[in-house]
Amino acid sequence: GENVEQHPSTLSVQEGDSAVIKCTYSDSASNYFPWYKQELGKRPQLIIDIRSNVGEKKDQRIAVTLNKTAKHFSLHITETQPEDSAVYFCASYPGGTALIFGKGTTLSVSS
Amino acid sequence: GAVVSQHPSRVICKSGTSVKIECRSLDFQATTMFWYRQFPKQSLMLMATSNEGSKATYEQGVEKDKFLINHASLTLSTLTVTSAHPEDSSFYICSARVKSGGAGELFFGEGSRLTVL
Repeated sequence: GENVEQHPSTLSVQEGDSAVIKCTYSDSASNYFPWYKQELGKRPQLIIDIRSNVGEKKDQRIAVTLNKTAKHFSLHITETQPEDSAVYFCASYPGGTALIFGKGTTLSVSS
Repeated sequence: GAVVSQHPSRVICKSGTSVKIECRSLDFQATTMFWYRQFPKQSLMLMATSNEGSKATYEQGVEKDKFLINHASLTLSTLTVTSAHPEDSSFYICSARVKSGGAGELFFGEGSRLTVL
């Protein structure tokens, strides 16, 4: 089955810096890659997603890139702010019904 | 976006009792719902896929007799943790996709934090 690896597990940056989180997946049939943000004790919220027919997508300070050949995708957050501090999960949709999640990255943005 | 509501948000029970968690899609019909389990500071682990009108599909290693799933209508799925033990203490989150089949955004319930004493 699909396996999603996510790195790093923790990331600390200064306010204003950029943050990059990387994920790899194993199933070449996967065609949808969302990123979720989860604040402590709350539900995960979708922040951006990308489909396999697109290489890059941007939404204000957040961007996602996808390399289907290498089977990896990355989340880029620019001009980080303290409110960006949370746990970020990448996920892959290998077909069928369920999303498979990476282990998560705890992002800490210090002011 | 679509709204998924989960209840209760917190439950504390004694060892050996059973606990039922409800997951409702409030403004859409969900033929499929997903139940995830999350331990502290860990990822979301898929437990089972709940299909309306049929038996749930459980992931490897998840005891179907322990975690009973019922998806009796297009807007409601329930997870019952039977004969709960302290190791069942966890954060349980349900989710649903608006579009049946195919890729698309997954909407999550608020989650239910179960503590078994």
